[in-house]
Amino acid sequence: DGGITQSPKYLFRKEGQNVTLSCEQNLNHDAMYWYRQDPGQGLRLIYYSQIVNDFQKGDIAEGYSVSREKKESFPLTVTSAQKNPTAFYLCASRKAEENIQYFGAGTRLSVL
Amino acid sequence: SQQGEEDPQALSIQEGENATMNCSYKTSINNLQWYRQNSGRGLVHLILIRSNEREKHSGRLRVTLDTSKKSSSLLITASRAADTASYFCATETGAQKLVFGQGTRLTINP
Repeated sequence: DGGITQSPKYLFRKEGQNVTLSCEQNLNHDAMYWYRQDPGQGLRLIYYSQIVNDFQKGDIAEGYSVSREKKESFPLTVTSAQKNPTAFYLCASRKAEENIQYFGAGTRLSVL
Repeated sequence: SQQGEEDPQALSIQEGENATMNCSYKTSINNLQWYRQNSGRGLVHLILIRSNEREKHSGRLRVTLDTSKKSSSLLITASRAADTASYFCATETGAQKLVFGQGTRLTINP
């Protein structure tokens, strides 16, 4: 069953806590992306990675961190510095020679 | 930064009618893509139109692109209840990044 798997589906963060959202793909895609979606809004780019061991900040990187140690995996950490983390987080991947992005089912993060 | 603006923000039509959504953007693009999102789910790619193309069809979908006006439209013909979703345009300007609009919420009434 190929595709992009995000986990968990729902996540709760306590004040001052760092939480990590998982994104795994078995599509052998080179590029991976993290987006944030607020209610009724479009997607905003947090971080993206075009190759292993390299990543770039998107439009709203503050308060977030990522790593890309393996081609299949691109975890996102929401740090305590992100003061308004409640949102729907979407991971996507893309083959280098294609323009289309393929999305996971998302993780909904809430603050306790 | 939000490159695209979509119009209308919400659209409600009867099943069988056609639905038209519009997208405007600000800078030159390599391509423009349309995605669909069912409530609380990930996005699914629908169609891509390159900057040197003016019109593209896929099944019941028709996309037009006017680079002089920096605008695109998505037409869904003979709408079905299952077409109820949010639709987003996304522009690619380079560096393998997409910039998404705020979306149009489409409701098809049976």
